[in-house]
Amino acid sequence: NAGVTQTPKFRVLKTGQSMTLLCAQDMNHEYMYWYRQDPGMGLRLIHYSVGEGTTAKGEVPDGYNVSRLKKQNFLLGLESAAPSQTSVYFCATVDVIGQPQHFGDGTRLSIL
Amino acid sequence: KQEVTQIPAALSVPEGENLVLNCSFTDSAIYNLQWFRQDPGKGLTSLLLIQSSQREQTSGRLNASLDKSSGRSTLYIAASQPGDSATYLCAVRPADSWGKFQFGAGTQVVVTP
Repeated sequence: NAGVTQTPKFRVLKTGQSMTLLCAQDMNHEYMYWYRQDPGMGLRLIHYSVGEGTTAKGEVPDGYNVSRLKKQNFLLGLESAAPSQTSVYFCATVDVIGQPQHFGDGTRLSIL
Repeated sequence: KQEVTQIPAALSVPEGENLVLNCSFTDSAIYNLQWFRQDPGKGLTSLLLIQSSQREQTSGRLNASLDKSSGRSTLYIAASQPGDSATYLCAVRPADSWGKFQFGAGTQVVVTP
């Protein structure tokens, strides 16, 4: 049982390039979240989804887009990468409201 | 907007001493609060989840308390070990947030042998 799997684990991009981060879960959880973690700032919510086909903005959504076409996958896209998006990105899932969050191992993204 | 604060940012204790980690939040209307551990370069591992109706949760050497009215939660780790060295984060789910969580910046703990 893999739980929450994030791909890729590491990536280096040049400014202006685009890419997509994948979060896949095998727990049939309804809720999925994308966070970014920067030194000294904790985790900040980028976008989230409360079910298949739904997405919503979090605290820091600018420069990112998301899609959840299948319940098990939540994709985070960077259309035109900027150095300010250098960060560690985490995906998390929750089964139902009131249950714990489960996290993936993160994607370390550097933008030059 | 809910704000979550963890003080101190860093803590060093000798092995065997009890650890006391603090988490404070500004809005008492929360659904639950979750404590995590994060090792360097790794993801977050869930330690304890406390529902708003609960006062505390325990797991082994870990005990977390919740005082909603004062906006505080405390994580106690008994008889600390070098393996407890990590960053500890708390996350609050506001009552009306559709599952969104607000994180503190974490407390980095070092347990010295």
